[in-house]
Amino acid sequence: DSGVTQTPKHLITATGQRVTLRCSPRSGDLSVYWYQQSLDQGLQFLIQYYNGEERAKGNILERFSAQQFPDLHSELNLSSLELGDSALYFCASSPLRAGAQFFGPGTRLTVL
Amino acid sequence: GQQLNQSPQSMFIQEGEDVSMNCTSSSIFNTWLWYKQDPGEGPVLLIALYKAGELTSNGRLTAQFGITRKDSFLNISASIPSDVGIYFCAGHVNYGGATNKLIFGTGTLLAVQP
Repeated sequence: DSGVTQTPKHLITATGQRVTLRCSPRSGDLSVYWYQQSLDQGLQFLIQYYNGEERAKGNILERFSAQQFPDLHSELNLSSLELGDSALYFCASSPLRAGAQFFGPGTRLTVL
Repeated sequence: GQQLNQSPQSMFIQEGEDVSMNCTSSSIFNTWLWYKQDPGEGPVLLIALYKAGELTSNGRLTAQFGITRKDSFLNISASIPSDVGIYFCAGHVNYGGATNKLIFGTGTLLAVQP
């Protein structure tokens, strides 16, 4: 158990819909990261938040957005969903400035 | 998206054998990390390397940070069935301050036959 929690575990929805994924980092970690993992693309970095502020952006679509709240939990919002958005979405957290990131159990999103 | 070159893609071995896998990059990294992922689960951190040339062990696992800072390898000695999974390397890109981005390798699938 990494100490990072994610909800929900599974999510099934239809194309065009909007969903919100939630993540709580390890106690004391200020940074939260979101990753997408699909069979053909591997683990892809989406976005990093540090203490409520966006710090780094990866291959995140404009239809996706994230935020980190004052209690440090984070939400990833995915809108206008397409079939290709079906994937595992992972949240990770790390202490200040550390390279090592600790991953949550993931949310499996299925878009039908 | 950007990925590291990881090899081999897959390995099928007998229990008790040693395993070696490596990652190479065209870019220099400040940190190399090795993760193991079981199907449907999140990656679990195995070893973190912070300095070029560093050799670090975690039980039966040993990893090294290449001198050029563009490569790393992971060895598993005396493999056991629970070593089965996908192993990922990851390189840390330091943009300064609190910005922290990992680039992941393509993964090595390890199968261990009892």
